[in-house]
Parts: sequence; structure tokens; C-alpha cells
Amino acid sequence: DTAVSQTPKYLVTQMGNDKSIKCEQNLGHDTMYWYKQDSKKFLKIMFSYNNKELIINETVPNRFSPKSPDKAHLNLHINSLELGDSAVYFCASSQEGLGNGYNEQFFGPGTRLTVL
Amino acid sequence: SQKIEQNSEALNIQEGKTATLTCNYTNYSPAYLQWYRQDPGRGPVFLLLIRENEKEKRKERLKVTFDTTLKQSLFHITASQPADSATYLCALFDTDKLIFGTGTRLQVFP
Repeated sequence: DTAVSQTPKYLVTQMGNDKSIKCEQNLGHDTMYWYKQDSKKFLKIMFSYNNKELIINETVPNRFSPKSPDKAHLNLHINSLELGDSAVYFCASSQEGLGNGYNEQFFGPGTRLTVL
Repeated sequence: SQKIEQNSEALNIQEGKTATLTCNYTNYSPAYLQWYRQDPGRGPVFLLLIRENEKEKRKERLKVTFDTTLKQSLFHITASQPADSATYLCALFDTDKLIFGTGTRLQVFP
């Protein structure tokens, strides 16, 4: 039983294309996140949703648009892909809404995006 | 905003020894600090959380300390095994989000 799942695992595409990554969690958590991990392994938050509501948008280009159809799903759509978008994207979830960092985050397996 | 510093150089130790990884932060002390493990090609996995009023937390062979004076957390793995080889990330809550260090790669060799 996968707690946080992402599809696809790998995504190779040309510059200028539009692509989506899907994420689902079956933990019943209220909050979901998208992180980007670059080639230097730095893991940085991009977005956070709490009960389908956008809470955090970390100065991410507006080519990136998250969508949360329900509490268990958070998808990431990327328009006009650029070379610099190449990275591993992780979805995560946690038990409650944003508070003080008490609750652990559960991460998905990641989606490795390569833009050629 | 907070900055987290972890030793970017890999730590190589022999099986059976204690591995000690360091996490330093720059600003105010967070209420909680978390440690995660990340294996190649996988997402981070939560290991331990320590509160600012806790000096030490243990879980099996893992021990975490939290020194708010030094603005530092140490992560220890005792009796290390090759299976402990991974990257270890520390994370703390800054305003409204969890921020991560870049991690330290641990390599335990037989």
C-alpha cells in the first residue's frame, strides 16, 4: 500500500512542451506539498495545499500551476518547459495544516524530469 | 530567513563505528527539528523529531541532540552498518514551511 504515489517516475521532454505530474496520498492527510530537488540535491518547497486551498507559493514561475481536485490529490502542471526545470520533483503530505513543523512529512518516490 | 548548513562532504566510516552528522542553523531556534534519510532515487523518509526543550532523543541505534545555544543538532548512528549508507537531511520549520539542509552523504564500508 503506497502512502504517497507519483506518476510518472520519469519524464523526458523537449523544451517548450507542457507536462503534468500527478500525486495521490492515501494517508488521509490535510496538507500536500510539491518540492523540487536540483542537481545539487537541494530540496526546496514550491507549493503547499491545505484542504485543497493554496497556502504556500514560493516564488515559483507562473509556468508552474498546481491543482488540488480533492484533499488526496495534488497535481503539478508545467507550461513551456525550460532546460532549468530539469530536476526531481517530490510530492509530500503531512497530517495537519501548517503549524510549527511538528508533523513529519511523507514523501513520494519522486519524478525525474529531464528537459532536452 | 533561516539557513541550514550540513557538511556537504561525504562521511566515510567503517562498519561498527559511530557516525556523527552535523546540522547548523543560522537564526532563531525552531520549536522542532527533524531528520530524514534519503536513498538514491527515492524520496526522503522521516527518522526523528526533536523539540527545542529536549536535549536528546533516541530511536534504536539513532540519537539526535539539539543545542539551541550552539544552534546545532547532531545526528548519531551507533554500530553503523553498510545498510545505513544514505544521505541524511535535517529540516526545520521557518515561518510557514519546512526547510531542508542539503544533506550529508554517509558511506559505511565493511
